[in-house]
Amino acid sequence: GAGVSQSPSNKVTEKGKDVELRCDPISGHTALYWYRQSLGQGLEFLIYFQGNSAPDKSGLPSDRFSAERTGGSVSTLTIQRTQQEDSAVYLCASSLSEGRTDTQYFGPGTRLTVL
Amino acid sequence: LAKTTQPISMDSYEGQEVNITCSHNNIATNDYITWYQQFPSQGPRFIIQGYKTKVTNEVASLFIPADRKSSTLSLPRVSLSDTAVYYCLVGSMDSSYKLIFGSGTRLLVRP
Repeated sequence: GAGVSQSPSNKVTEKGKDVELRCDPISGHTALYWYRQSLGQGLEFLIYFQGNSAPDKSGLPSDRFSAERTGGSVSTLTIQRTQQEDSAVYLCASSLSEGRTDTQYFGPGTRLTVL
Repeated sequence: LAKTTQPISMDSYEGQEVNITCSHNNIATNDYITWYQQFPSQGPRFIIQGYKTKVTNEVASLFIPADRKSSTLSLPRVSLSDTAVYYCLVGSMDSSYKLIFGSGTRLLVRP
């Protein structure tokens, strides 16, 4: 079956603009995760969804970041008033359930460049 | 939350066995250990997971000593295509959910 997909694959924006990143998880996966990876760095957890609710949003770097998930499927990560330090690859993953022992399947990521 | 420590980089040659060790001194009773592999411009890919002793699959083996304060990912007979970054993760099913990815180990396999 299809894996996790993300769009766009690349996004270049100007400082101060808003951007929206999309994640389509594997069908039937109830848990969904967003991570950020800066150049040459490890992954930074942002937020996780169980169904449509986000039990833990504490990984979001600032109040400019928000995420939602509708219908227990597609999720969007929105960054308002983008800053240059927001430039990174944003990765989405999904797993069958919320347990950490469940394998997380990652999408290819969205590379965000803020000029 | 258990923090992990791995070597920054490792070099090897084709056909050799590679062992990457991860330290997680404050691992909790409920924590599992998971390893991911990441190629450039791709998302991480699950390799193996374990709780204690030894786990083996078609790709790798994972060795976990009795105190669980470390774990070793073993890649048998590596090839050039195994050149990647390898991440060790420690996490549990508690309600305060956060996965922690460290900086990983960059493995370079030479011909």
